[in-house]
Amino acid sequence: DTAVSQTPKYLVTQMGNDKSIKCEQNLGHDTMYWYKQDSKKFLKIMFSYNNKELIINETVPNRFSPKSPDKAHLNLHINSLELGDSAVYFCASSQGLAVSTDTQYFGPGTRLTVL
Amino acid sequence: EDQVTQSPEALRLQEGESSSLNCSYTVSGLRGLFWYRQDPGKGPEFLFTLYSAGEEKEKERLKATLTKKESFLHITAPKPEDSATYLCAVVNYGGSQGNLIFGKGTKLSVKP
Repeated sequence: DTAVSQTPKYLVTQMGNDKSIKCEQNLGHDTMYWYKQDSKKFLKIMFSYNNKELIINETVPNRFSPKSPDKAHLNLHINSLELGDSAVYFCASSQGLAVSTDTQYFGPGTRLTVL
Repeated sequence: EDQVTQSPEALRLQEGESSSLNCSYTVSGLRGLFWYRQDPGKGPEFLFTLYSAGEEKEKERLKATLTKKESFLHITAPKPEDSATYLCAVVNYGGSQGNLIFGKGTKLSVKP
């Protein structure tokens, strides 16, 4: 009965490869997010989707492409992986938009290591 | 530029030794301030939301307070299980979508 789940938990890959991370929430929320937490533990928003529509797209390389097949899922596809992409990626969800100050619930994270 | 600064970066306490964590913020207009707890290898776990100066919220040994410039997370008689990184985040009025802007966190260690 996990609220926000991500797969995989760990992802180790070579530079130049393409990989995807999946996220699912069973809270019935309308908004989903992707965050990146770097080696210094700094958590920063990457994307936000509301009802499958892109709302926030921070300054993120276009190698990163989120896809939301439905309200409960938000996947992150990364092309041509680079060393600097190594980080922990967190998915989150909330009932309304971030501006509504609805609580955001986070998934367990995916640790991506690019060799 | 909107900014959230947390101090100290790390805090080591003995069990039962009360203390406070600080979160100072500079935003164009505060909609809400959040406190999260993050355990190693896990996602942030929601603790509190504060909306206006003077507001306080409590949960077990934790109490969060808010002024116009900063928030404090007071920990009373902490236990080893309170060891975690505590994250502060704000949502501002800037833009129609808003954004959750995080500080870098305070890593708390409570020794028995």
